[in-house]
Amino acid sequence: GAVVSQHPSWVICKSGTSVKIECRSLDFQATTMFWYRQFPKQSLMLMATSNEGSKATYEQGVEKDKFLINHASLTLSTLTVTSAHPEDSSFYICSARVLRILAGPRVETQYFGPGTRLLVL
Amino acid sequence: RKEVEQDPGPFNVPEGATVAFNCTYSNSASQSFFWYRQDCRKEPKLLMSVYSSGNEDGRFTAQLNRASQYISLLIRDSKLSDSATYLCVVNNYGSGNTGKLIFGQGTTLQVKP
Repeated sequence: GAVVSQHPSWVICKSGTSVKIECRSLDFQATTMFWYRQFPKQSLMLMATSNEGSKATYEQGVEKDKFLINHASLTLSTLTVTSAHPEDSSFYICSARVLRILAGPRVETQYFGPGTRLLVL
Repeated sequence: RKEVEQDPGPFNVPEGATVAFNCTYSNSASQSFFWYRQDCRKEPKLLMSVYSSGNEDGRFTAQLNRASQYISLLIRDSKLSDSATYLCVVNNYGSGNTGKLIFGQGTTLQVKP
């Protein structure tokens, strides 16, 4: 399957600092990437859809000025958590979408990065 | 009501057992359905897609009932390595939400020796 990397894999920072997380598709181009957040014992929640060359689409309740997304190339999307606070501590996971148009229905698969654990002190 | 609902478990079963997980979804316009597996502190990994006719991959069988908006996963001959959280996932593309995966809370399986 397709490979998606994330960097860093974990980060510990002080409250008020900004943290940048990179998501890369390593062996394919992804016009669309997604950013999710997962709190302990909860399901993944979609934060935003990142589209190459255009503005990200944020889910309801997600502050776009706090979670800055940049998808400047077909293989890289970044998420910046600005002025991070302890409640932002979470597992942030990106995914990249692969579309295959087969003889029948289109098949859409998302491949996930390994995630970034953020701990804000 | 959550868009995708699962029994969180945990399901504790002995090796070799057969175990079934169920999932319901609320959006009747949902187009694609998947089971993902997530190990502790790791990212989700696609286990299998779920097709209307039902599909099987080795020890794993997935079924979809669109009328009841119900998805199931059956694991036969459970292995210790099957211990993980199984996520029921629905894609609502085609109803204006292109490419949006909606995740259930997950069902935790623990296979004991």
